[in-house]
Amino acid sequence: QKEVEQDPGPLSVPEGAIVSLNCTYSNSAFQYFMWYRQYSRKGPELLMYTYSSGNKEDGRFTAQVDKSSKYISLFIRDSQPSDSATYLCAIDSSASKIIFGSGTRLSIRP
Amino acid sequence: EAQVTQNPRYLITVTGKKLTVTCSQNMNHEYMSWYRQDPGLGLRQIYYSMNVEVTDKGDVPEGYKVSRKEKRNFPLILESPSPNQTSLYFCASSLSAGEQETQYFGPGTRLLVL
Repeated sequence: QKEVEQDPGPLSVPEGAIVSLNCTYSNSAFQYFMWYRQYSRKGPELLMYTYSSGNKEDGRFTAQVDKSSKYISLFIRDSQPSDSATYLCAIDSSASKIIFGSGTRLSIRP
Repeated sequence: EAQVTQNPRYLITVTGKKLTVTCSQNMNHEYMSWYRQDPGLGLRQIYYSMNVEVTDKGDVPEGYKVSRKEKRNFPLILESPSPNQTSLYFCASSLSAGEQETQYFGPGTRLLVL
C-alpha cells in the first residue's frame, strides 16, 4: 500500500465551481500535511501547510485534515481558469522526508 | 528575488556519458534536496542535504551522486546515465529540514537518456 494515495484525474469543472481534491494516507502518526500547485513546465509551489486535524483557510483555498479517517482535502471556491494545474498532496513524515501523492490534474473550463 | 535555479533546463544525452545538473539557491537555506518526477509515481526524493558537507540518501538514490561543498549549491551527478534515468528533476531548498513550509522548488530539468 502506498503511503499517500491521490486520484490522478484529470478533473474538469466549469469556472466558478467548488473543487474538491482529496488524498488518503496510511500512517496515523503523520502530523504535517501540505498541498502544492504545479503549473505545466514549472516546479511545484507550496499552497497550504497544515498541522494535525482541522481546517485552514487562505483566500479561496481551504485545506482540511481528518486524522480519524486519514483523509486530507483541498477545496477551491469560485474556481478560476488560472487554477488549472496539477495539485499534489504531501506529508511531512519526518524532519528530512516529504512523501508526495502522484498529483491530480485539474482543468477549469471558462 | 528568492529563487532556486537549475541548469540545464533540458538535456539529451547518451547512455554512459557523465553529466551534472547544477542547483543553486539564494536564500541561505540549510536544507536542499533532489527529486525526480515520473508519470503516475509523483515526486520521489533522490538525495537530500541537511547542511554543508552533510548529505544522505532519499528513496531512489541508485545511479546518482551529490555533493554539498557550499551552502548555496547542490549539484546532482549522474556518473553513467541509463535510459531509466530519463525523467523530470527538481531541486528544492528550505530554511531547515524541520521548516518545510519555507520550501522552494526549482523550475525543473528535463533529462532524456538515449
